[in-house]
Amino acid sequence: NAGVTQTPKFRILKIGQSMTLQCAQDMNHNYMYWYRQDPGMGLKLIYYSVGAGITDKGEVPNGYNVSRSTTEDFPLRLELAAPSQTSVYFCASSYSGGYSNQPQHFGDGTRLSIL
Amino acid sequence: AQKITQTQPGMFVQEKEAVTLDCTYDTSDPSYGLFWYKQPSSGEMIFLIYQGSYDQQNATEGRYSLNFQKARKSANLVISASQLGDSAMYFCAMREGRRGGSEKLVFGKGTKLTVNP
Repeated sequence: NAGVTQTPKFRILKIGQSMTLQCAQDMNHNYMYWYRQDPGMGLKLIYYSVGAGITDKGEVPNGYNVSRSTTEDFPLRLELAAPSQTSVYFCASSYSGGYSNQPQHFGDGTRLSIL
Repeated sequence: AQKITQTQPGMFVQEKEAVTLDCTYDTSDPSYGLFWYKQPSSGEMIFLIYQGSYDQQNATEGRYSLNFQKARKSANLVISASQLGDSAMYFCAMREGRRGGSEKLVFGKGTKLTVNP
């Protein structure tokens, strides 16, 4: 099983450039999430989605956009890259069919540097 | 106020000994869940163990167990018989809300565990 797949694994952007971080899951999970992890810190939620066509902001959404057109894919868009967006980005997914003891499954992360 | 507090930035343990990683949480929601994740130096996030607020017994999963003290709002991770491969960052996380909620997780800042031979 592939689980949660993130591409690319590494990327260097110039200030002001745009890019899309890709995330796909093959577990038929309803819920998907984007987090960022700054050095020495825990993960902070950027955006999440409870199903195709439904997205909502997390704790740190500024500077990012998301869409969810299918159950499998949840891309994260950076429109105008800024140095403050240098971070490691994690995509995650989970199933919630009732009692929410299901863990979130994480991709391997995308390490993004803005120079 | 922080919802998840991990007060130990770093911990050291000898191989084969047990170690406890602390986690305290803050919530007014009666329904919540607590998760522990391991992040090795390679960077991936690995789910270890889960404890629900209504669970009557402390969760166990192999060498991992959770010392859940609801009144004190603490959910400490206990690793028994430490192995060199246990060296990693460990994150405590909380999900608030009712069944079938959004399952948003709030993470602590983590504890770096080093297992010495």
